Amino acid sequence: AQKITQTQPGMFVQEKEAVTLDCTYDTSDQSYGLFWYKQPSSGEMIFLIYQGSYDEQNATEGRYSLNFQKARKSANLVISASQLGDSAMYFCAVPFSGYNKLIFGAGTRLAVHP
Amino acid sequence: DAGITQSPRHKVTETGTPVTLRCHQTENHRYMYWYRQDPGHGLRLIHYSYGVKDTDKGEVSDGYSVSRSKTEDFLLTLESATSSQTSVYFCAISVSSSGRAAEQFFGPGTRLTVL
Repeated sequence: AQKITQTQPGMFVQEKEAVTLDCTYDTSDQSYGLFWYKQPSSGEMIFLIYQGSYDEQNATEGRYSLNFQKARKSANLVISASQLGDSAMYFCAVPFSGYNKLIFGAGTRLAVHP
Repeated sequence: DAGITQSPRHKVTETGTPVTLRCHQTENHRYMYWYRQDPGHGLRLIHYSYGVKDTDKGEVSDGYSVSRSKTEDFLLTLESATSSQTSVYFCAISVSSSGRAAEQFFGPGTRLTVL
C-alpha cells in the first residue's frame, strides 16, 4: 500500500528563522519524485516545489528547499527566513500507480510567530 | 492560474438528496481529478478522468459518480448525500512536463455540508 507520513501535525517557528517539515514515503514505485503544496487559511492549494527521484541536486525554489534522502525515503521541506505569510498547512504528495495520480500526506500546520 | 473554476463554492443540503459539483477548466488538459479534504486525512482521490468519457475510481469512490462529456467539464455526483460526505471538495488538473511527474493544479474548492 502507498503511504505518505508527515509526523508533525503542528509546528511553530519564529519569524526570520528556518523550519524543517518532515515527509517520509513508502510507495511501491519511487520513480516519479515528490511534490510539496501549501494551503493557507484561505483554502487554495498552491504548488511549492518538486523533487525528481533521479535529480542529483536537492530542489530549491526561492526560500524553499528540499532535503531529499532517497535511501531513507524522506523529502523534508526547509523554509528559510520564515515570514508571517508562511503560516499555512503544508502537504507532501507522491505520484503512484503511474504518472498522473498523487497520494497526499495528512499535512503539517505551520504557525509563524512574530 | 490554471483556469479552474468550481461551482458551487458552498452548498448545504440534506441527507438523501442528490448533489452535483461542477469543475470547469479553460485549457483543455486531459487529466482531471476530484479530491475530498478532511481533517487528519489530507486530500484523498475520489475519481479521476483521463479523457472525455474515460474515468476511473480513486481510493474513496464509494457513494460518488463522475461524468465527463466535454474536455472542459468534470462533474462529481453524490447520488444520495450522507453526513459522512460533508467535506471540502477540490478539483484538479495535471500538467505534464518532459522528464518529470505531472504537476497538479487545484481549483478553489467547494465546501459541502450534509445535514
